Amino acid sequence: DAKTTQPPSMDCAEGRAANLPCNHSTISGNEYVYWYRQIHSQGPQYIIHGLKNNETNEMASLIITEDRKSSTLILPHATLRDTAVYYCIVRGFGNEKLTFGTGTRLTIIP
Amino acid sequence: DAGVIQSPRHEVTEMGQEVTLRCKPISGHNSLFWYRQTMMRGLELLIYFNNNVPIDDSGMPEDRFSAKMPNASFSTLKIQPSEPRDSAVYFCASSLMAANYGYTFGSGTRLTVV
Repeated sequence: DAKTTQPPSMDCAEGRAANLPCNHSTISGNEYVYWYRQIHSQGPQYIIHGLKNNETNEMASLIITEDRKSSTLILPHATLRDTAVYYCIVRGFGNEKLTFGTGTRLTIIP
Repeated sequence: DAGVIQSPRHEVTEMGQEVTLRCKPISGHNSLFWYRQTMMRGLELLIYFNNNVPIDDSGMPEDRFSAKMPNASFSTLKIQPSEPRDSAVYFCASSLMAANYGYTFGSGTRLTVV
């Protein structure tokens, strides 16, 4: 699976949109982009995934660039409960394994 | 659905003792994964099962670790004998066997070996 690069940490003001970038320049055509987050002391939580089209669900939006070499996870109205480590993971179709990197530690500031 | 259920939540044991961690996946899920998380190494995949069959155990650190899935609703991860370096949080996750689905993780078992 392609490697991903994320900033180690970010801050965002409460109520603002949090935009978390991820670089995956070596992604191949059949690889999906997944986002998970881990709130302190809890198990990782699935947020969203996509292949090439932008995706939105009740938690977040995922914007994937046209060349698919990068993506952005958007939390539209961040709350204090969104403080967590966010992981961007690339995973090939048919590959069961999910490999976690070091992620981005997002801190929501009151 | 109660989600993925792991037990115990916390385990403290002495070096050399056998430790058994338990996991009940979400009903209907046919893939199960065991992860370990430490500050130094982050989240590491230890082993995963499809339809109760171990598929990839390349992440299991050594022979002291073993995992079983006797049926679709139960899995165990055993460490025998345990060592202080095994101290970590162990997570179990389940999913449907297809790349389009996300995993659901349990709350983890915090293991401390003294």
